[in-house]
Amino acid sequence: ETGVTQTPRHLVMGMTNKKSLKCEQHLGHNAMYWYKQSAKKPLELMFVYNFKEQTENNSVPSRFSPECPNSSHLFLHLHTLQPEDSALYLCASSQGQRGGGDTQYFGPGTRLTVL
Amino acid sequence: GENVEQHPSTLSVQEGDSAVIKCTYSDSASNYFPWYKQELGKGPQLIIDIRSNVGEKKDQRIAVTLNKTAKHFSLHITETQPEDSAVYFCAASSHGGSQGNLIFGKGTKLSVKP
Repeated sequence: ETGVTQTPRHLVMGMTNKKSLKCEQHLGHNAMYWYKQSAKKPLELMFVYNFKEQTENNSVPSRFSPECPNSSHLFLHLHTLQPEDSALYLCASSQGQRGGGDTQYFGPGTRLTVL
Repeated sequence: GENVEQHPSTLSVQEGDSAVIKCTYSDSASNYFPWYKQELGKGPQLIIDIRSNVGEKKDQRIAVTLNKTAKHFSLHITETQPEDSAVYFCAASSHGGSQGNLIFGKGTKLSVKP
């Protein structure tokens, strides 16, 4: 148990659906991250929030919309997804240290299947 | 930007043998190198990390070495056990962005045969 929880653990949705993924961290951290993990690909960083401010958006399509209402919660809103968006979506958190070297702790992930 | 290469992609060893996984990175300014273990159905879990001011770090059966000149770092697992079977990821801290985000290797699937 890393102190980072994600819900739901599994999600199946159609291409026209709208759903949201939720992440919560109980570590007192100030930075939160969304990653996409696909088969045979490196972990892909999607979004970074540091002290509730979005600091990174790695060219992610607009059908993925993040929301960070406070330092403990992070959401990923999904709409009109494509089958190639099927993957494991991982949330992570860290202290929010600047200049590199910030240890990240991951949640268990949400396995998303887009039909 | 940073690029991390990891080898091998799969590794099979007998229980009790050692396992070595190697990574290279491209950005000489990277200063933090964590290793994660991911078991089936779980998120990656940090197992050991090393910073650029240290050449080697050990924690029981796990050790990591860093060669800054050659820009490579390695994970060493001694006396492997079946529960060490998992996918292992290396990462390097890129100095892009406001806080140095992690760039991950593609992972190594380690199988330890009893």
